[in-house]
Amino acid sequence: SQQGEEDPQALSIQEGENATMNCSYKTSINNLQWYRQNSGRGLVHLILIRSNEREKHSGRLRVTLDTSKKSSSLLITASRAADTASYFCATGTGTASKLTFGTGTRLQVTL
Amino acid sequence: EAEVAQSPRYKITEKSQAVAFWCDPISGHATLYWYRQILGQGPELLVQFQDESVVDDSQLPKDRFSAERLKGVDSTLKIQPAELGDSAMYLCASSFPRGHEQFFGPGTRLTVL
Repeated sequence: SQQGEEDPQALSIQEGENATMNCSYKTSINNLQWYRQNSGRGLVHLILIRSNEREKHSGRLRVTLDTSKKSSSLLITASRAADTASYFCATGTGTASKLTFGTGTRLQVTL
Repeated sequence: EAEVAQSPRYKITEKSQAVAFWCDPISGHATLYWYRQILGQGPELLVQFQDESVVDDSQLPKDRFSAERLKGVDSTLKIQPAELGDSAMYLCASSFPRGHEQFFGPGTRLTVL
């Protein structure tokens, strides 16, 4: 079963613009992670935010977490064509490092 | 750079046949995961190993799926018999014990005809 739902399902922007993706989840979490998946490939870890953190940055990525609303957002600034991919949020619960993935946002960045 | 290896990359089989997928995790990663990803959806955990022991197989269809990690290193996922609905991407990932970041292999794309 999928814990999280990403919104929007698909996003198309031009190079240089910012892209914002949202994730909502249902149960209490230890951490929330974002992964990127290029078409037909495996997933690549982007960033992790713990349940006691509210914001985190990594390069052009900014992640926020609101545990009261059970939601997170991923902002990619100054997007590039190479950012074209599907982006998934994944929630970490319990002590066994188990992740539950959301449904994903397909991002298309055009020149 | 260390990577998770998977083979084959693509597999086409007929329904009722047996298929097997292989995964070699990053050296030192005691935790290994098998996921199934249906087109257009997120990965769904099938089974999680800690060394050679199964930690979670609650979503593994045990009537037809089996997974093993005999020596606590590489792992095999088997489907017998394959059904049309098994067509999907099968992803393997690994991580350090209690590590949060998972490292994924390139996946095996299974098509059942």
